[in-house]
Amino acid sequence: KAGVTQTPRYLIKTRGQQVTLSCSPISGHRSVSWYQQTPGQGLQFLFEYFSETQRNKGNFPGRFSGRQFSNSRSEMNVSTLELGDSALYLCASSPGTASIRNEQFFGPGTRLTVL
Amino acid sequence: DAKTTQPTSMDCAEGRAANLPCNHSTISGNEYVYWYRQIHSQGPQYIIHGLKNNETNEMASLIITEDRKSSTLILPHATLRDTAVYYCIVRALGQFYFGTGTSLTVIP
Repeated sequence: KAGVTQTPRYLIKTRGQQVTLSCSPISGHRSVSWYQQTPGQGLQFLFEYFSETQRNKGNFPGRFSGRQFSNSRSEMNVSTLELGDSALYLCASSPGTASIRNEQFFGPGTRLTVL
Repeated sequence: DAKTTQPTSMDCAEGRAANLPCNHSTISGNEYVYWYRQIHSQGPQYIIHGLKNNETNEMASLIITEDRKSSTLILPHATLRDTAVYYCIVRALGQFYFGTGTSLTVIP
């Protein structure tokens, strides 16, 4: 099976712009989660989608949003970019049943730099 | 919300067992303990998880204390490729809470 893929891998934007990142989960996985990783804050949970519905949300401002399509692919969007949004954005997929035993499989991440 | 406490860093000699401790004293009865590792700038990689029994797979062993307030990840024969940040996570339904992890350096 192919792993989780994320596009683009690297991105440079300027303050005030918006950005859309894409994640394709492992085939058959229905749950997609997004994380932000920065040197200062570590790995922080953004949100999780399951069957096109947001299931959980972390403590991030409304500038961060996401969605999931019927094929389980997911996008996250950050509007009005700030310098502090520079980070590695990671996507993870899991089979997405209600079982809490399901591990998450991470993609390689998108490195976003805001200038 | 940090639910786990791990040492910031550890060293281990190549070929020796690496024992990485984790404290999760507030763990609930329905929360599992997961371990992931992250090699520099890559996505985290799943290692192992457990509820209350000790678990073993091809990568590692997980020892959970009887009161479930702490656990130890054991890499039986550490190699240079095991140098990474190791995260101990507790999770019920919902999100994974990653702490700051333990930076393990395997020394030749």
